[in-house]
Amino acid sequence: GPKVLQIPSHQIIDMGQMVTLNCDPVSNHLYFYWYKQILGQQMEFLVNFYNGKVMEKSKLFKDQFSVERPDGSYFTLKIQPTALEDSAVYFCASSPRQGNTGQLYFGEGSKLTVL
Amino acid sequence: GDSVTQTEGPVTVSESESLIINCTYSATSIAYPNLFWYVRYPGEGLQLLLKVITAGQKGSSRGFEATYNKETTSFHLQKASVQESDSAVYYCALGGNSNNRIFFGDGTQLVVKP
Repeated sequence: GPKVLQIPSHQIIDMGQMVTLNCDPVSNHLYFYWYKQILGQQMEFLVNFYNGKVMEKSKLFKDQFSVERPDGSYFTLKIQPTALEDSAVYFCASSPRQGNTGQLYFGEGSKLTVL
Repeated sequence: GDSVTQTEGPVTVSESESLIINCTYSATSIAYPNLFWYVRYPGEGLQLLLKVITAGQKGSSRGFEATYNKETTSFHLQKASVQESDSAVYYCALGGNSNNRIFFGDGTQLVVKP
């Protein structure tokens, strides 16, 4: 079936550094999402993105976070600067359209470890 | 708030046995919640298994079924006879009538023994 690819699968960085997580969504999908899962906790919504804009974000989406998808390339989540509490697995998802509720395709996740 | 609670895993069953994974939800900000079961097979991303958007209806896929019960706020996942290939992590989830925000449960790991 359709696949969402995430790069890297695992990254370790020092607190204060910048990190960019990359997502290659399903081709022709229009809606993009990031979810965050801290070890032992539920996967939680961070942000969704459509037509070059953030449509909705949660309180977890701090000012240090940003998303973009320049010219149809990777959909990225950037954290600058990183903090210890940013350690988590970040899941990217894409969806063909708003009307088909729940039809999200997720990547395998990018595990971020902030030291 | 909006939340989902599901059976804590791991759940271990033998092949050909029946399965039920419990899920209850709380929808305070969503007037007409949509309910979902997602599955993550080893080495793959999370994918939608089944969904039900109308209370009282049943959804089914790959031999799994779940009925949207508004009275008990439940959406239990059932299968009459599991296979080893069903071993995966199953997530109950709750959303509105768009994909803007979906609330996931903790996930239940299912281990099917041959």
